[in-house]
Amino acid sequence: QVQLQESGPGLVKPSGTLSLTCGVSGDSISSPRWWTWVRQPPGKGLEWIGEIYHSGSTNYNPSLKSRVTTSVDKSKNQFSLKLTSVTAADTAVYYCARGGIWDIVVPRNSISFDYWGQGILVTVSS
Amino acid sequence: DIQMTQSPSSLSASVGDRVTITCRASQTISTFLNWYQQKPGKAPKLLIYAASSLQSGVPSRFSGSGSGTDFTLTISSLQPEDFATYYCQQSFSIPRTFGQGTKVEIK
Repeated sequence: QVQLQESGPGLVKPSGTLSLTCGVSGDSISSPRWWTWVRQPPGKGLEWIGEIYHSGSTNYNPSLKSRVTTSVDKSKNQFSLKLTSVTAADTAVYYCARGGIWDIVVPRNSISFDYWGQGILVTVSS
Repeated sequence: DIQMTQSPSSLSASVGDRVTITCRASQTISTFLNWYQQKPGKAPKLLIYAASSLQSGVPSRFSGSGSGTDFTLTISSLQPEDFATYYCQQSFSIPRTFGQGTKVEIK
């Protein structure tokens, strides 16, 4: 059974850096998947943040691209998110998810988020 | 960015009703379209991928259709556990955008 678990601080100061890690069990971080971050501000909809392939290839939301970095740690079977210069607008539940590929012919498009972590609320406040 | 627009934003329905939610993309996305269900305080759950393929373990009362720009999620007979918010999401291009959600409430 594939499981994902987010971890990290629940409170970050304005202008600081949000750092989260997603531990993966039941699957290898080196498998052909897109390891993904999605966030949801309180009471609002879902926003895709970015994704990383096991090879290290990344894609980010242009609205966040200048502030986002993702990385993979194969030795720990986990992946991470860093978001710099945070403001109150970055307060949200942050989810990690596995981007499974349903058609290997088009691996960059045929992606669905088939497993999710439980989510972690990160509040930006002084 | 590709904009995903769902309608309606909310609906009230009774157990046993047939429910249809539509999702329109601002440009053609072929069948690179997924549907998710989210209950309060929980992570989203994948229901449908590739516009019409049922995710393993999802009840057959859920179905998806469409291609290009117009897509539909149908629940053939609404059950008590189906009251939730539903999101469509395109994987055709970056950023991988979601619709704004459709909240299905008890009538």
